[in-house]
Order: sequence, then structure tokens, then C-alpha cells
Amino acid sequence: DARVTQTPRDKVTEMGQEVTMRCQPILGHNTVFWYRQTMMQGLELLAYFRNRAPLDDSGMPKDRFSAEMPDATLATLKIQPSEPRDSAVYFCASGLPVGTSGGASSYNEQFFGPGTRLTVL
Amino acid sequence: AQSVAQPEDQVNVAEGNPLTVKCTYSVSGNPYLFWYVQYPNRGLQFLLKYITGDNLVKGSYGFEAEFNKSQTSFHLKKPSALVSDSALYFCAVRDTTPYSSASKIIFGSGTRLSIRP
Repeated sequence: DARVTQTPRDKVTEMGQEVTMRCQPILGHNTVFWYRQTMMQGLELLAYFRNRAPLDDSGMPKDRFSAEMPDATLATLKIQPSEPRDSAVYFCASGLPVGTSGGASSYNEQFFGPGTRLTVL
Repeated sequence: AQSVAQPEDQVNVAEGNPLTVKCTYSVSGNPYLFWYVQYPNRGLQFLLKYITGDNLVKGSYGFEAEFNKSQTSFHLKKPSALVSDSALYFCAVRDTTPYSSASKIIFGSGTRLSIRP
């Protein structure tokens, strides 16, 4: 049963510390997404990748957040320095390859990981 | 700009009764629409999608959704609710902004569905 995995599941840290969250997408998926979920803002898209290349990170605070895909099996989201307002659940999701024809049948859903609950004190 | 609206923050239904979770959309071009469900302390799970074809789409766990182009709606429905259906439900639409990846989708604010025994 293929699934997206995320580590750690829970992270408590102090303000100013560096936080790194990791995601292993489903094998064969070529798109990877990072989302943040809070009660106030709901679900926000932070960044996404296709074939390991960043396509859009406009939802991410540039000064402290960075997202990378060192290889096809690992995506990372890093916060440095962390702040209390970064406290949220961070989700990674991956998607099946989009067909080169771009037709309707080629569009597929996203598969979400269990999330990393981050608390910054 | 593409968007989806879920007008109800919470929907309460008695077990065994039909349920409807509302969603309206605004897109340029053909809408690709989705429903996802989130159970407590879990990630989102795909329920169903409308791309083209029949307006009534069937999905997981007995859910279905009706696409209505004239009303720009994509309401989620189930004939008989179960207590285990209690969760957070998200409507979503594919982002058709020029130059956007076809993979990017935009989520609504979510509706909390509560089924009482």
C-alpha cells in the first residue's frame, strides 16, 4: 500500500531554532506539494515541485522558509529561524504524472502524508 | 481568479439521514473539481473528482457529487449518513491560471461534518 511518509510527526522547538521536515513521496509521483494548515488560515499551499524542480513557492515566506528536493525520494521543508507564528501542521502531498498531452484524463489527485505538527515556543 | 467557496463552516446531520455539503466554484475555462476528506489527526484523502462526462460523480465511502454548470456548484452528497462520516471536507478546483502547473489545485476553507447517532 503506497503512501506518502513524513517525519517527524511531531516537533516542539524554541523560537529561533532551525526546523527541518522531511517527506518521502509515493514512488513514481513526479509532483510534490507542501501545505500548511492552521485554524485561522485553513490549508495554504507553500510550494510545489515537478520532476524535482520548484514550480511555485509564492506561498512561502522567503526570508525564513526553504524547500528542496535533493532527489526523487526526498523533499524537505526548512524553517530558519523558526517563530511561534510558524506553529501549524505541515502536509506533504504527491501526485501521479500529468500526461504530456495535458488532456482531462491525465489530471490526477494528490495523495497526502500524515503531516508534521510543529509547535514553536 | 480561480476559487471555491464552502458557505457552511459546519453541517450537522442525524445518522441515517441524507447529507449535503455545499461548494460553489469560480473558474475560467472548464472546471476540474475535487472533494477531499480529512479525519482527525490525518492528512487529506481524495474522495472524488469531476473532469468531464456525467454530472453525477460517484466516489469513495458511498459519497457522490453533482456538478451543476448553471449554478456553478459541486455539492457533495450521501443518501444515508454514518457517524464515521464525521470529518472535515474540502472542495477544490484545478488552478487554470495561465502558466500554472496543471497539478496545482486550490482548496476551499473546509466544512466540518458532524453526524450524531
